Amino acid sequence: QSVLTQPPSASGTPGQRVTISCSGSSSNIGSNYVYWYQQLPGTAPKLLIYRNNQRPSGVPDRFSGSKSGTSASLAISGLRSEDEADYYCAAWDDSLSAFYVFGTGTKVTVL
Amino acid sequence: EVQLVESGGGLVQPGGSLRLSCAASGFTFSSYWMSWVRQAPGKGLEWVANIKQDGSEKYYVDSVKGRFTISRDNAKNSLYLQMNSLRAEDTAVYYCASILIAPLDYWGQGTLVTVSS
Repeated sequence: QSVLTQPPSASGTPGQRVTISCSGSSSNIGSNYVYWYQQLPGTAPKLLIYRNNQRPSGVPDRFSGSKSGTSASLAISGLRSEDEADYYCAAWDDSLSAFYVFGTGTKVTVL
Repeated sequence: EVQLVESGGGLVQPGGSLRLSCAASGFTFSSYWMSWVRQAPGKGLEWVANIKQDGSEKYYVDSVKGRFTISRDNAKNSLYLQMNSLRAEDTAVYYCASILIAPLDYWGQGTLVTVSS
């Protein structure tokens, strides 16, 4: 079961800004970096943001990440149709039950 | 170019075993931690296991401890997941992923494991 909580869905029209929240605890987000993954329909996930707010090479600067306390967020500005996908946050966890935990996932729909 | 290619998935009966493989290329495999992640049909992602560069450290999610074993062969640039005592809830697409600059920064295409009688 997922340890990090995300809203099940988010939506926007092309060009809009969409924000996805990710809520955790002191053992994961509160004490470790946050990562974000994008999963386009029918494909494997792809790393989108690492170390809270860093973008891997090739990821557009329309995607940005932030973290505060035990929560994090992903923002997509200038929403495009190709951004329609599932988005997952993740973090290392210092508890004994899991080493790396994911969020529940958010389906972004471009209206 | 980093490439990860999984194989070995299929249909297996409850209580059965399966061994997944992941062939890595495009990077110095022996220098990096590696992971397995799974995704049940229509569900979210679940980290399964990690293994250190030399195989000396391994970590598992609680639900697979004692049943799954992660291993690697650096000479063959390959990662493995031995799955025993399989249950219906283990049905999922299993992904191999690397930890180069960040956790799970490159992923394979996945291999489907179906546990059913």
